[in-house]
Amino acid sequence: DIVMTQSPLSLPVTPGEPASISCRSSQSLLRTNGYNYLDWYLQRPGQSPQVLIYLGSIRASGVPDRFSGSGSGTDFTLRISRVEAEDVGVYYCMQAQQAPRTFGQGTKVEIK
Amino acid sequence: QVQLQESGPGLFKPSETLTLTCTVFSGSVTTHYWSWLRQPPGDRLEWIAYIDHSGDTNYNPSLKSRTTISLDTSKNQFSLRLNSMTATDTAMYYCARLFRAVQPPAITYHYFDLWGPGTLVTVSS
Repeated sequence: DIVMTQSPLSLPVTPGEPASISCRSSQSLLRTNGYNYLDWYLQRPGQSPQVLIYLGSIRASGVPDRFSGSGSGTDFTLRISRVEAEDVGVYYCMQAQQAPRTFGQGTKVEIK
Repeated sequence: QVQLQESGPGLFKPSETLTLTCTVFSGSVTTHYWSWLRQPPGDRLEWIAYIDHSGDTNYNPSLKSRTTISLDTSKNQFSLRLNSMTATDTAMYYCARLFRAVQPPAITYHYFDLWGPGTLVTVSS
C-alpha cells in the first residue's frame, strides 16, 4: 500500500495568517495524464470529513478560494491563505493513485 | 439535498458479524459509487470497500476476506457486512458517496463528496 505521511501533526494558527500542511507519499501519485491522484479532506470537530481539494489542486464545489493545493509526484502542500476560525479541525491527505486508497495520519489545526 | 445515514448495532462481541446499513435520502443509489470507510480511535481513516450502481465491488485487500458490500435498490440503501470481528475492528464507521468528476481531456476521477455522520462500533467481550 502507498504510505501517506503528513507534517506537522499539530499546527497552531493565528486567524488572518497563512498556514500550510505538507503531505508526502511513498510512491508517485502523478499519472501519465498529468494529474496527481491526491485529495485533501477536512474533518471539523464533531463532523464527518468533507472534501476540499481533488486531483491535487482542484477545489471542490463550494470550497472557499483561500484553500489551495499544490505539488506533484510525492510531495504536496495544502495552503490556507488567511485562516478563519471555522478552519479548525483535522486535515487529511488521501491518495487515489493505487488501490487501496490510503490516508495520511492527519494534521490538527487549532487557533493559538 | 442528498443525505446519508448509517444504522446498525453499536456493540459486538469478538467473533460476531457486523452489519451496517446506509440509507440514501433525497437521492438514488442507482447513480454514483458508494463506499464504506472507518476510523479507529486515535488512528487514520481507512477505506473498506465500494460498490457501483451496477453492483460491481472493490475491497481493501486487508479486509477483503471478511467483508461484503451490497446494494438494495428497492430500499435505496447499501450495506456492509464484516465477519469474525476483533477488538481491532472498533472504529467509527462512515458511509460515503463517490462523486464522478470529469476533467479535460475526459479524465474520470472519483472522490468522496458526501459522508454520513458516522456510527461508532465497539467490539468488546
